[in-house]
Amino acid sequence: GENVEQHPSTLSVQEGDSAVIKCTYSDSASNYFPWYKQELGKGPQLIIDIRSNVGEKKDQRIAVTLNKTAKHFSLHITETQPEDSAVYFCAASIQGGSEKLVFGKGMKLTVNP
Amino acid sequence: SQTIHQWPATLVQPVGSPLSLECTVEGTSNPNLYWYRQAAGRGLQLLFYSVGIGQISSEVPQNLSASRPQDRQFILSSKKLLLSDSGFYLCAWRIQGSPYGYTFGSGTRLTVV
Repeated sequence: GENVEQHPSTLSVQEGDSAVIKCTYSDSASNYFPWYKQELGKGPQLIIDIRSNVGEKKDQRIAVTLNKTAKHFSLHITETQPEDSAVYFCAASIQGGSEKLVFGKGMKLTVNP
Repeated sequence: SQTIHQWPATLVQPVGSPLSLECTVEGTSNPNLYWYRQAAGRGLQLLFYSVGIGQISSEVPQNLSASRPQDRQFILSSKKLLLSDSGFYLCAWRIQGSPYGYTFGSGTRLTVV
């Protein structure tokens, strides 16, 4: 089955710096890659996603890149703000059928003011 | 608009007691439904998913079971809780084939004592 690895597990940056989170997946059939942000005590919220027919997607300060050949994808956050502090999860799935998501173990981002 | 409700928000149960967590979705029909568990400081583990009424797939053999008695209702149960069942339980839904990712509920924090 699919296996998603995520690193680093923690990252601390200064406000205004950029942050990058990297994930790799194992199943070449996976074609949908979402990123979730989870604040303490809450459920994860979808922040951006990318499909395998696209190499890059951007939404304001957040961008995601996908390299299908290498089977890795990354989340880039620019001009970080204290409210970006949270746990970020990457995930992978195959669209159609159960569409179950396999998640990475998460990365705790701390943005210091 | 679609919403997902999950309750209770927190629960403290003794070892050996039964469990019933409920999740309902509003504003959509025939969603795929999922139960995930998140242990302290760890990633999200898929427990069960359902693509239709009465259709339950189990991902991990364990002390828990799931049922889907109605289209938009998903229930997680246990006859006898173990200490290892403690964790943060999350329900999620999505429409099969839609361009959007999962939407998670707000979660239930279960502590087995």
